[in-house]
Amino acid sequence: GQSLEQPSEVTAVEGAIVQINCTYQTSGFYGLSWYQQHDGGAPTFLSYNALDGLEETGRFSSFLSRSDSYGYLLLQELQMKDSASYFCAPGDNYGQNFVFGPGTRLSVLP
Amino acid sequence: NAGVTQTPKFQVLKTGQSMTLQCAQDMNHEYMSWYRQDPGMGLRLIHYSVGAGITDQGEVPNGYNVSRSTTEDFPLRLLSAAPSQTSVYFCASSYSSGNEQYFGPGTRLTVT
Repeated sequence: GQSLEQPSEVTAVEGAIVQINCTYQTSGFYGLSWYQQHDGGAPTFLSYNALDGLEETGRFSSFLSRSDSYGYLLLQELQMKDSASYFCAPGDNYGQNFVFGPGTRLSVLP
Repeated sequence: NAGVTQTPKFQVLKTGQSMTLQCAQDMNHEYMSWYRQDPGMGLRLIHYSVGAGITDQGEVPNGYNVSRSTTEDFPLRLLSAAPSQTSVYFCASSYSSGNEQYFGPGTRLTVT
């Protein structure tokens, strides 16, 4: 079977750094993607880790450790517009991520 | 490039009615998929397609049918609507070699 765990909620203030963790148990793991979803909106792709280590994209970074079945999304210099839900999604053997984690709701306070 | 489009945006059905949710993409993506998202939950895969003429079931396929006659279109049919199908439905597409899915704006469905 498959299982994915993320914290349900995280709160931080503007300008801070926050880390959203994801632990997974899946078959045929290929890589880990992260998506952002604002209330009432559609998920949008943020990042993908095929290899262990840190991938940086502007204020967002994502980390993967295959040996620990663990990844995280790091958001720096938080802004109010970062308030959203964040989903991790492991990829299958073809790199497709059809399974999404339960999501972490991030609230950024002024 | 319109990306992924979905119609309608909102729909109210009575129990037992049938309808089709439309999804189209203009990016020539091989993969297309349908998800449902219940309040405060993640996305659950209903059906997916790896190319025209090929479809397969996801995690929650019961009560839904799909077909893929063209690369561009992937409609989702609700056979006999039930209140448990009240949800937000997202269509997504991606390249077969890619890891990034592009999502449509969603259809908010209420079944009374």
